[in-house]
Amino acid sequence: DQQVKQNSPSLSVQEGRISILNCDYTNSMFDYFLWYKKYPAEGPTFLISISSIKDKNEDGRFTVFLNKSAKHLSLHIVPSQPGDSAVYFCAAANAGNMLTFGGGTRLMVKP
Amino acid sequence: EAEVAQSPRYKITEKSQAVAFWCDPISGHATLYWYRQILGQGPELLVQFQDESVVDDSQLPKDRFSAERLKGVDSTLKIQPAELGDSAMYLCASSLQRPPDTQYFGPGTRLTVL
Repeated sequence: DQQVKQNSPSLSVQEGRISILNCDYTNSMFDYFLWYKKYPAEGPTFLISISSIKDKNEDGRFTVFLNKSAKHLSLHIVPSQPGDSAVYFCAAANAGNMLTFGGGTRLMVKP
Repeated sequence: EAEVAQSPRYKITEKSQAVAFWCDPISGHATLYWYRQILGQGPELLVQFQDESVVDDSQLPKDRFSAERLKGVDSTLKIQPAELGDSAMYLCASSLQRPPDTQYFGPGTRLTVL
């Protein structure tokens, strides 16, 4: 039973355009959501997070949107850069409990 | 910048052999995690420590896997005996506090069981 799903295994975007990565969850008890980025041969690195009391959080080129009624979150990268090419994982948690990760989306930003 | 250290980076072993992985978390981080990531999937938590105590090991296959963090600092994950299905990336992470505090990941150990 996958509680966190990333339905697009890959995404290709032109440099300078917007990248939108999507994530769906099923557990209504989740109240904190995170995005991690992973380059080959490295561990995941934290990118941005959002609490369930918010519907948007922005950090530079990265914005995460949360739609609680739809149990859906998305990560927007604007503008996309070739260095953003990596695998992106969304993760969810409820306070004090473990993170549950999605399966990841491979983003390729073409110059 | 402080990092989570893991060794070895790569390990090839034959099935039925024993393997061990080591993790040194960021200094001062009380919470330590071991994850397994199968190719094409997200990390799956195996065990979570708070200081030297196990907080969650519900997903750890205890018949063959063991983990310890004796002094509440570094940690060892052991598999004995290894099986073909154990081939995966084993990631260690640490955080100052319990989830959902930001977790910082090490580079991982890529295990191949032949």
